Amino acid sequence: SQKIEQNSEALNIQEGKTATLTCNYTNYSPAYLQWYRQDPGRGPVFLLLIRENEKEKRKERLKVTFDTTLKQSLFHITASQPADSATYLCALTGSGQNFVFGPGTRLSVLP
Amino acid sequence: DAGVIQSPRHEVTEMGQEVTLRCKPISGHDYLFWYRQTMMRGLELLIYFNNNVPIDDSGMPEDRFSAKMPNASFSTLKIQPSEPRDSAVYFCASSYPRLAGGSQWAGELFFGEGSRLTVL
Repeated sequence: SQKIEQNSEALNIQEGKTATLTCNYTNYSPAYLQWYRQDPGRGPVFLLLIRENEKEKRKERLKVTFDTTLKQSLFHITASQPADSATYLCALTGSGQNFVFGPGTRLSVLP
Repeated sequence: DAGVIQSPRHEVTEMGQEVTLRCKPISGHDYLFWYRQTMMRGLELLIYFNNNVPIDDSGMPEDRFSAKMPNASFSTLKIQPSEPRDSAVYFCASSYPRLAGGSQWAGELFFGEGSRLTVL
């Protein structure tokens, strides 16, 4: 059956370090992969999209990689700050418009 | 634009009662999605519409759930009768179509703030 996993429920990291979050999937052939940020009590907010034919995408301190052979995406936040503390969700879609979400990783950046 | 607007933000009801959740998508967005989020199951797609027409309702858990989109600016998700296991946060999201975005399409989903439902 189709499955999306994110490396861990929670990740603690020291301020200034690079946070790396993992999204693994099985039995999918996604054309697009997105990353969202969700703060407590709020709806998810879109961060980045990467296409199946793209290896890497960057936006300010964020970097996403997509390896369709390993069926994995890595999400990096460089020079992390306490304000980056949130839950991060990956989402996949094939040719359709609907995205399926992973369970999320709760990131805590400690000062 | 004010973004996706959902109401109510919080709803507490008793088992067996009817619950109606409402959503106003962003003007000009042709796609509307209803998601449910729980600690156990994460964010699950219930149903989505394109141009007010339901496209995929395979995520609707059972016949107690129904969703409508009578026009481009309004959608409802109804649960009748409600049960304690329906307790969750229900999100509405809207998006614009891939063709409209062209090569820069990001498929970005714009989420509302959610409706937290508690069924006692």
